[in-house]
Amino acid sequence: AQSVTQPDIHITVSEGASLELRCNYSYGATPYLFWYVQSPGQGLQLLLKYFSGDTLVQGIKGFEAEFKRSQSSFNLRKPSVHWSDAAEYFCAVGVPFTSGGSYIPTFGRGTSLIVHP
Amino acid sequence: DARVTQTPRHKVTEMGQEVTMRCQPILGHNTVFWYRQTMMQGLELLAYFRNRAPLDDSGMPKDRFSAEMPDATLATLKIQPSEPRDSAVYFCASGLTGTGRMGNYGYTFGSGTRLTVV
Repeated sequence: AQSVTQPDIHITVSEGASLELRCNYSYGATPYLFWYVQSPGQGLQLLLKYFSGDTLVQGIKGFEAEFKRSQSSFNLRKPSVHWSDAAEYFCAVGVPFTSGGSYIPTFGRGTSLIVHP
Repeated sequence: DARVTQTPRHKVTEMGQEVTMRCQPILGHNTVFWYRQTMMQGLELLAYFRNRAPLDDSGMPKDRFSAEMPDATLATLKIQPSEPRDSAVYFCASGLTGTGRMGNYGYTFGSGTRLTVV
C-alpha cells in the first residue's frame, strides 16, 4: 500500500530565509506526487504536482519541488519565505484508479510552517 | 474562481443525533471525494464517487456512516448515530477525471465542515 511520510511536524523559519519541507513516499510504481497547502479554517489548495517528465516542478506562490526516485523523495522548496506562507503543508501520493491520469490522493500527516518576522 | 461549497461550516450536536453534511461540487466535475481530518489520524479518505456512482467507501464505518450523490450537484455524508469520536473536520473535494488529459487537472477542496459531537 502507498504511504507518505513527512518527518517534520513543525518547521520554523525567519521571513526571507529559504525553506525546504521534506516528503518521502512509498509506492510500488511510478508515483503521482503533490503538495497542498492548508491555511487555518480553509480547505487544501494544490501548490504543484508531478506526473512525469522534468523532475523539478514549479508551482504557485514561488514554490518548487524536486522528485528524486532514488531517494523516494519529493521535497518542497522556496528560496525566500514570506509571512503569508505560514500554513500547514501536505505531501500526497496519487494512486491511479481509472485511465486518463485519474488518481486518489493519500496524504502525509502534514508539516506546520511557522514564519518569524 | 469556481468553488466547492460545503455546508454547514460548523456543527455542534449531541451524541446519538443524526448529522448530515452537504457538498456542492464544481459544475462539470465528475469525481467527488470525502475526507476526514483529525489531529490523531490526519487526512483519511472516507469515500469517493465518479459519475455519481460510489467507487469505494471502505474508509467509512459502515454501521453509522453513509455517503450518497442524489444528483450531480450534491453529495451528502450522513452519520447516524453520531459519537464523540466522530468529531473532526470533514472535507469534500471534486475534480474531473478520466478525460485522458494526464496532469492537466487537480482536485478542488471545500473549506470543510467542522463537526463537534458532545
